[in-house]
Amino acid sequence: QVHLVESGGGVVQPGRSLRLSCAASGFTFGNYGMHWVRQAPGKGLEWVALIWFHGRNKYYADSVKGRFTISRDNSKNTLFLQMDNLRAEDTAVYYCARDRDDIVVVPSAYDSWGQGTLVTVSS
Amino acid sequence: DIQMTQSPSTLSASVGDRVTITCRASQSITNWLAWYQQRPGKAPKLLIYKASTLENGVPSRFSGSGSGTEFILTINSLQPDDFATYYCQQYNSYSGTFGQGTKVEIK
Repeated sequence: QVHLVESGGGVVQPGRSLRLSCAASGFTFGNYGMHWVRQAPGKGLEWVALIWFHGRNKYYADSVKGRFTISRDNSKNTLFLQMDNLRAEDTAVYYCARDRDDIVVVPSAYDSWGQGTLVTVSS
Repeated sequence: DIQMTQSPSTLSASVGDRVTITCRASQSITNWLAWYQQRPGKAPKLLIYKASTLENGVPSRFSGSGSGTEFILTINSLQPDDFATYYCQQYNSYSGTFGQGTKVEIK
């Protein structure tokens, strides 16, 4: 059974950094592209970043490009999101999500999601 | 960037009703479209991918149609569990843009 568990959220001041983790289990993590998706309080879903299964290609939303870095450690079945220079508008629940299709380098629907971790950026 | 627009934003319906939600893309996405259901306080759940393919375990009262720029999610015989918010998402490009969501409420 696929299981994704995010951690690392919390309250942080504007301009500071935070690193989120997503621990994966129940599947061959290194075979799947992974995403971060966020949801501001009371708002819709916003795609944040994608990393291919091999980790060599990464893509970002314009709203976070240059500030956020997605990475993965396939030996530890873990996905990361390093968030630097945080802004109030980054306040959201952050979800990690798995590509439905394995060993592909084309976009796919997201078939498994974690429960989310809340990041609050406030002074 | 590809923009996704859903309508309506809110929909009031009763148990047993048939409801439809429309999603329009700002440019052709062929059939690279997914639908998700999100209940309050929960993560989204994949319902349909490739515009019309039902995800494993999703009830057959859910169906999807469309291609190019216009897509429809249909829920036949609405059940109490179906009152939730629904999102479409394009995955024609790496940035998987979501629609703004449609909340299905109890009439």
